[in-house]
Amino acid sequence: DTAVSQTPKYLVTQMGNDKSIKCEQNLGHDTMYWYKQDSKKFLKIMFSYNNKELIINETVPNRFSPKSPDKAHLNLHINSLELGDSAVYFCASSQDREQFNEQFFGPGTRLTVL
Amino acid sequence: ILNVEQSPQSLHVQEGDSTNFTCSFPSSNFYALHWYRWETAKSPEALFVMTLNGDEKKKGRISATLNTKEGYSYLYIKGSQPEDSATYLCALNDYKLSFGAGTTVTVRA
Repeated sequence: DTAVSQTPKYLVTQMGNDKSIKCEQNLGHDTMYWYKQDSKKFLKIMFSYNNKELIINETVPNRFSPKSPDKAHLNLHINSLELGDSAVYFCASSQDREQFNEQFFGPGTRLTVL
Repeated sequence: ILNVEQSPQSLHVQEGDSTNFTCSFPSSNFYALHWYRWETAKSPEALFVMTLNGDEKKKGRISATLNTKEGYSYLYIKGSQPEDSATYLCALNDYKLSFGAGTTVTVRA
């Protein structure tokens, strides 16, 4: 059973389009995250939700809008895609927001904007 | 976002040799230090979470120590095996994870 899953795995789209990436966890965790792996391969936090409530919004352009319909899902919608949005996006979850909890990562979604 | 530096950026180890590498941080203003192992084409997987100065954790041949007073954590791999080849990420948690760039370990058979 996949603990944290993301769809799609690959996404190729044109500049200006709107796209969504979905994330689901079956671990019963309360907290979920979106990370972006930048061009230098750093993993950088974008958003975090705890029990469907936004708790971290790390200066991400407002073209990016996360949505958590329930605590097992955290989707990422991106409007008006730009070339610089091309990256690998990782979803993760943890038992709760406590700092000593390990995070479980999804397989990543490679977004390519042409 | 906290400053996290990892060194070296990459290293090559002969199978059977032991190795270690460093995560350093200028400020100990965080609640926990995490180590993750990231194999190519896979997702990062948690190895250790450490919270206290002097913490030592061990999982099989891999162990880690934390020294918050001097601002570093070491990860040790004893008797390296080809399956240890991966990028090892260090991250500091102050309610969000700030990752270092990682140390990429290649174990040669």
